[in-house]
Amino acid sequence: GAVVSQHPSRVICKSGTSVKIECRSLDFQATTMFWYRQFPKQSLMLMATSNEGSKATYEQGVEKDKFLINHASLTLSTLTVTSAHPEDSSFYICSARPPREGGDTQYFGPGTRLTVL
Amino acid sequence: SQQGEEDPQALSIQEGENATMNCSYKTSINNLQWYRQNSGRGLVHLILIRSNEREKHSGRLRVTLDTSKKSSSLLITASRAADTASYFCATDRAGRRALTFGSGTRLQVQP
Repeated sequence: GAVVSQHPSRVICKSGTSVKIECRSLDFQATTMFWYRQFPKQSLMLMATSNEGSKATYEQGVEKDKFLINHASLTLSTLTVTSAHPEDSSFYICSARPPREGGDTQYFGPGTRLTVL
Repeated sequence: SQQGEEDPQALSIQEGENATMNCSYKTSINNLQWYRQNSGRGLVHLILIRSNEREKHSGRLRVTLDTSKKSSSLLITASRAADTASYFCATDRAGRRALTFGSGTRLQVQP
């Protein structure tokens, strides 16, 4: 099946630094990718939809200037957490859907655990 | 926004018993999916049921969908210790390509 990778899998940083997380679709092109966030013992919450060649669409309550999304190619989306603070510590998961018409399957990356000290 | 609620929030059973988890949602859907997540890990896709289907089986998994009640259930039969994980339902709504996840059920299977 299709594979989505994320890098890094784990990152620890100091408060105030910026962290970039990459999401790649390895064997299909994805015009749209999704970024989710999961706090401990909670469910996944959609943060934003990453659109290749255009601006990302952010969910209500998600600061677009803090969580910068760049969908530079059909296989790569990046999420940059700018000036990270301890409350940004979370598990970040991306997903992508192959563009096949009527396709239902969404493929998830393995996630990136961010810890901000 | 999160639209699904799952119950129970936590479930502890003995190996060999069946585990049933329920999911409710609020809007019309194209399909409903169930995922498993081991602690601190990524998601594993278990099964997808479309809005025009009522029941689906995959190995030890049985999923039902009642669109009139906007609810679904996941049954794991003959549970194993390795089934210990969190289970999430996720809905795929018309006009929205992202999934909306339920609150999850934490399943503990005692050996």
